[in-house]
Amino acid sequence: DAMVIQNPRYQVTQFGKPVTLSCSQTLNHNVMYWYQQKSSQAPKLLFHYYDKDFNNEADTPDNFQSRRPNTSFCFLDIRSPGLGDAAMYLCATSRDLPGLATSYEQYFGPGTRLTVT
Amino acid sequence: KQEVTQIPAALSVPEGENLVLNCSFTDSAIYNLQWFRQDPGKGLTSLLLIQSSQREQTSGRLNASLDKSSGRSTLYIAASQPGDSATYLCAAASGGSYIPTFGRGTSLIVHP
Repeated sequence: DAMVIQNPRYQVTQFGKPVTLSCSQTLNHNVMYWYQQKSSQAPKLLFHYYDKDFNNEADTPDNFQSRRPNTSFCFLDIRSPGLGDAAMYLCATSRDLPGLATSYEQYFGPGTRLTVT
Repeated sequence: KQEVTQIPAALSVPEGENLVLNCSFTDSAIYNLQWFRQDPGKGLTSLLLIQSSQREQTSGRLNASLDKSSGRSTLYIAASQPGDSATYLCAAASGGSYIPTFGRGTSLIVHP
């Protein structure tokens, strides 16, 4: 039973052509995250939503935007992809943020592998 | 700012060995620490979550410990199997942002 679903699993886009990655969850969790992961590197947080409250990391490029139209869905928009944006994009959820609840665990989707040509 | 380090970066062991993976963090005021497994080209699978008030968690052949005072967590894998081959990452949640900081992972190969 998939809990965090990402579509598509593989995405090829052209340099500068906008692309949207999607994430959905069946867990009804409050928090959704987007990470970028390049080969052999740690996942890098781009932003997260706590419910509808959007939180952008200070070093996330303006080229990256996100939308969360409802609890279940969250989108990552890359307005003008560059070659350096080729990576695995991971979506994750958690019921709450640590420190606010005693029970916290992140659940990840399978990821979307983005190739920029 | 929290920094998480995982040593070694890569490990190769024969099947059946017991092994320990290390995770170090700089800010000991953590809320929790989570261990994940990542298979090549896939997402992360949660293995164990340790709350700040806990010292260890166990699941099957896996045991994770947490020592906040020394800024360390270890993941112990008993009787390793080829199917355990993957990258293991740890993530520590701390500070005002509450958001977990990941290490780069330890790439494990268990050969028959």
